[in-house]
Amino acid sequence: GQQLNQSPQSMFIQEGEDVSMNCTSSSIFNTWLWYKQDPGEGPVLLIALYKAGELTSNGRLTAQFGITRKDSFLNISASIPSDVGIYFCAGHSSGGSYIPTFGRGTSLIVHP
Amino acid sequence: NAGVTQTPKFQVLKTGQSMTLQCAQDMNHNSMYWYRQDPGMGLRLIYYSASEGTTDKGEVPNGYNVSRLNKREFSLRLESAAPSQTSVYFCASGEGVYEKLFFGSGTQLSVL
Repeated sequence: GQQLNQSPQSMFIQEGEDVSMNCTSSSIFNTWLWYKQDPGEGPVLLIALYKAGELTSNGRLTAQFGITRKDSFLNISASIPSDVGIYFCAGHSSGGSYIPTFGRGTSLIVHP
Repeated sequence: NAGVTQTPKFQVLKTGQSMTLQCAQDMNHNSMYWYRQDPGMGLRLIYYSASEGTTDKGEVPNGYNVSRLNKREFSLRLESAAPSQTSVYFCASGEGVYEKLFFGSGTQLSVL
């Protein structure tokens, strides 16, 4: 089935640093979704993107729908300890199912 | 607002035992899903239900059965548990043409 390549797999950063992660696909996507999973909880939707080039912010988080429609990026500015968790990208491929495809996640650890 | 509610939160089984994981959503969503999450593997779709009365296999359906009892409830059954089914299980419901998923808080299952 469709696969999303999400990188990096894990990140260890100091509080206050900015974070960047991305997700790529070999095929065109119609939507990109970014989820965060807090430890011991289920994933929660952070940002949804629907148009190529779209740039959307949610507080300190900013996500972009790549111009090629084959990638998406998530940036976190001025990280804080509560940013710890696993970040998943997901999306719907062009001509594919209404069910989103998920990346394998980026595990973020923030040191105070 | 409860959202998606899963029970139980934790469960330990012996090999060969059976059990049912319960899931209910109060958002009037048509579609519901069961995922499993294993370290480094991301979220893998077990079964889904596009609407009341329909169910379909996902990526990893072997060893599981599901029942869409009504629009609110979608249960996952392990008939004869195996150690390979040790995992964290998430139920989700979805809305929209390009589905945005809302997840429960998960069931941590250990099969000894």
